Amino acid sequence: GAGVSQTPSNKVTEKGKYVELRCDPISGHTALYWYRQSLGQGPEFLIYFQGTGAADDSGLPNDRFFAVRPEGSVSTLKIQRTERGDSAVYLCASSEGQGGYEQYFGPGTRLTVT
Amino acid sequence: GDSVTQMEGPVTLSEEAFLTINCTYTATGYPSLFWYVQYPGEGLQLLLKATKADDKGSNKGFEATYRKETTSFHLEKGSVQVSDSAVYFCALNNMSPGGSYIPTFGRGTSLIVHP
Repeated sequence: GAGVSQTPSNKVTEKGKYVELRCDPISGHTALYWYRQSLGQGPEFLIYFQGTGAADDSGLPNDRFFAVRPEGSVSTLKIQRTERGDSAVYLCASSEGQGGYEQYFGPGTRLTVT
Repeated sequence: GDSVTQMEGPVTLSEEAFLTINCTYTATGYPSLFWYVQYPGEGLQLLLKATKADDKGSNKGFEATYRKETTSFHLEKGSVQVSDSAVYFCALNNMSPGGSYIPTFGRGTSLIVHP
């Protein structure tokens, strides 16, 4: 079956611009996670959705970052006034639930802020 | 907060050698523990997991045992193959004060296996 997909695969933007990153989770998965991964590091948790609501957004670094999941399926991560330090690979993962459930990862979006 | 510490890489081995990648964690409560693997050019995928103390996760010849007394989840394989070359991430999933399970990943350990 179809896995988690993310678009675009690469995004280059200028400092100060607004970007949107999209995640299509596996159908039926209620839990959805966004991560940021810098070179040589592991995924860093940003936000977790259970259904349509953001159950935990404690990992968002500041108020320039925002994410939505309006219908409980597709999610969009939005970054305003991008900075060079936002450059990283943004990963999305979905799972059937929390705790001991396996997460299924997408291929990521590589964001470069120039 | 919670944290995961993995041994620094790269780990370089010859084919059929024994592999150990150390992973220790700091967390309150009873987290679930995972090893994820990222093969070259691919996304992260689950290798194995353990959800309670003394559980052993296993898959593709890899094993790891959840040791609460030493807060460790070391990954082992008796005989590695060239195709095992990848980056391995140790991770935990633990309940936050707000009631959600928040994942924490280690920085990853690169494994290179030579023929």
